[in-house]
Amino acid sequence: EVQLVESGGGLVQPGGSLRLSCAASGFTFSSYWMTWVRQAPGKGLEWVANIKQDGSEEFYGDSVKGRFTISRDNAKNSLYLQMYSLRAEDTAVYYCARRHLEPVGFDYWGQGTLVAVSS
Amino acid sequence: DIVLTQSPDSLAVSLGERATINCKSSQSVLYSSNKKNYLAWYQQRPGEPPNLLIYWASTRESGVPDRFSGSGSGTDFTLTISRLQAEDVAVYYCQQYYSTPQTFGQGTKVEIK
Repeated sequence: EVQLVESGGGLVQPGGSLRLSCAASGFTFSSYWMTWVRQAPGKGLEWVANIKQDGSEEFYGDSVKGRFTISRDNAKNSLYLQMYSLRAEDTAVYYCARRHLEPVGFDYWGQGTLVAVSS
Repeated sequence: DIVLTQSPDSLAVSLGERATINCKSSQSVLYSSNKKNYLAWYQQRPGEPPNLLIYWASTRESGVPDRFSGSGSGTDFTLTISRLQAEDVAVYYCQQYYSTPQTFGQGTKVEIK
C-alpha cells in the first residue's frame, strides 16, 4: 500500500525557518517525481515545488522561489521541503504527493502537515 | 502562468441527479504533438487530501466510479457526475500540467440539495 506521511509542521515566527519531511513507503520511491502542494486554511490548492526522480531537476512556484528548497533522499525514501524567510501567507497545510508515472497529475497524497506562521 | 477559472463556485444537486462543473483555461492546454489535453480533475472530501479522478481531460483514474466523466478540449473542460451520491459531497478542482507552474482552479463545492 502506498503511504506518504508528512512531518515537521508547526508554529513559526515570521522570518523563521522550518523543514518538512515526507516518508514514503509501498512503492519504488526513486522511480517517481515528487511534489509539495499547499492549501491555506479554507482556500484552494497551490503547487509549491517538484523534484525529478534522481533529484537532478527542481521546479518552484513563483511565491516560494528563492525561499524554499525541495530535496530528496532515495536511500531513505524521503522527500523534504526546507523553508526559509517564512511569511504569514505561507500558513497552510503542506501535502506531499506522488506524481503519476505518466506526467498527468498526482495520484497519491499524504494527509498533510500544518505550518502556521505567526508572531 | 495559466489561470484556470471554474464555474460555478458551488452547486447543490439532488441525490441521483447530474452535477456539471466547468473549467476554463486562460490558454490552450492541448499539446499539438500528441493531441492530448494536459488537464486533470481532483475531488477533495472534507478533512481529506485531494484524490485524482481524471487526467488527459477524460481518462478516469483506476478505481474511480464510472459516474465521473471528463470532457472538453483546448480551453474549455467539464467534469460531470452523472448520478450524484452522498459520498460525492466534496470540493472539485481542475489542474493543468501543460506548463510550469502547474496551476489549479479555485474549486467548486458540491452539496446535496
